[in-house]
Amino acid sequence: ETGVTQTPRHLVMGMTNKKSLKCEQHLGHNAMYWYKQSAKKPLELMFVYNFKEQTENNSVPSRFSPECPNSSHLFLHLHTLQPEDSALYLCASSLLSGRAQDTQYFGPGTRLTVL
Amino acid sequence: SQELEQSPQSLIVQEGKNLTINCTSSKTLYGLYWYKQKYGEGLIFLMMLQKGGEEKSHEKITAKLDEKKQQSSLHITASQPSHAGIYLCGAQGGSNYKLTFGKGTLLTVNP
Repeated sequence: ETGVTQTPRHLVMGMTNKKSLKCEQHLGHNAMYWYKQSAKKPLELMFVYNFKEQTENNSVPSRFSPECPNSSHLFLHLHTLQPEDSALYLCASSLLSGRAQDTQYFGPGTRLTVL
Repeated sequence: SQELEQSPQSLIVQEGKNLTINCTSSKTLYGLYWYKQKYGEGLIFLMMLQKGGEEKSHEKITAKLDEKKQQSSLHITASQPSHAGIYLCGAQGGSNYKLTFGKGTLLTVNP
């Protein structure tokens, strides 16, 4: 199994739809992250989980709802999105967030288009 | 908050040429990471530098950290088309060691 997997790889949804993004890590890590990558902008951290507990919410609108049932799985539930939410959503994992020299490993991303 | 500036924003080189990408931080660096990204895909970890003067290599890619200048450079020797992609630097800072990224450098290598 590759380190960090994400499904689906591509998603097109209307503004009234509800969908979920899934991330799974096979690295034995304890921290998981959601990032948003928009054109011509740096990667934006959205959420951080350590041992299933959310430790950071970077002022993300409530139409994005994360869920972390265990240290290996992370979901991002989407509802009533706006066209400006179209972006590449990246999941990452690391040994333990909040420490120096803690390398994050990324999944391939989900390309989301909101119509 | 920590900000990272990468230069150049984009770079086009002929295969076989050497090149350098720079990453400058607005604050003290506790760890500097280099990643490579193919368009529309995830980030691939290249290397992490943590001490001033440290230098690491990954195949034909070498990165150095100048802690005093709060800067890192990534050097590719004898570039190949497989080196093409977006190179991103990331740095940890602040009390929670949050990872902040630069906007990236788009590298094109012409055969």
